[in-house]
Amino acid sequence: QVQLVQSGAEMKKPGASVRVSCKASGYTFTSHYVFWVRQAPGQGLECMGMINPSRGSTTYAQNFQGRVTMTRDTSTSTVYMELSSLRSEDTAVYYCARAESGIHSWDYWGQGTLVIVSS
Amino acid sequence: EIVLTQSPGTLSLSPGERATLSCRASQSVGSSYLAWYQQKPGQAPRLFIYGASSRATGIPDRFSGSGSGTDFTLTISRLEPEDFAVYYCQQYGSGWTFGQGTKVEIK
Repeated sequence: QVQLVQSGAEMKKPGASVRVSCKASGYTFTSHYVFWVRQAPGQGLECMGMINPSRGSTTYAQNFQGRVTMTRDTSTSTVYMELSSLRSEDTAVYYCARAESGIHSWDYWGQGTLVIVSS
Repeated sequence: EIVLTQSPGTLSLSPGERATLSCRASQSVGSSYLAWYQQKPGQAPRLFIYGASSRATGIPDRFSGSGSGTDFTLTISRLEPEDFAVYYCQQYGSGWTFGQGTKVEIK
């Protein structure tokens, strides 16, 4: 069965970076895009961008340009999202989700990773 | 960027009642690239509707989606206890944006 399993919760200080992983299983890793979306406490969903695991190509949302980097390791079927220059407003649950392409809905999601930014 | 506006913010209904959720886009959503997700507290969102009107795998037929262009609707014909949750619409035809969500709560 398709699964996206994310790494555990993180606590970081302002100005630091965080890297969250998303390990895929149950399907051909390179056949689906992976998106990252975050949800601040009590708030809605905000798309951060996507990576095509086949080519490694990425598209980042404008709000995160220059601060986010998405990479993948095809040998372990894992996608990574790194967010730098963290501030308190980055405290959120970060989700990965897969889609058949950039113009498909997101059919499977990871369980979410809580990132807390606090001094 | 396409902005999605959902209404109402909160819908208070009883089990067995009909729920109608609206999602309006600031510009036309091409080829009905519109999805609906359900999210329960502490859980990841779950895909319910894609392509504006197609039910995802395992979604019961009391859920239906309709609309095109800039106006879309999610209808739950008869609310079951497990349907009380937050619902988000998403467009994926021009970038990817979400509405702010509609909470369906028990009256």
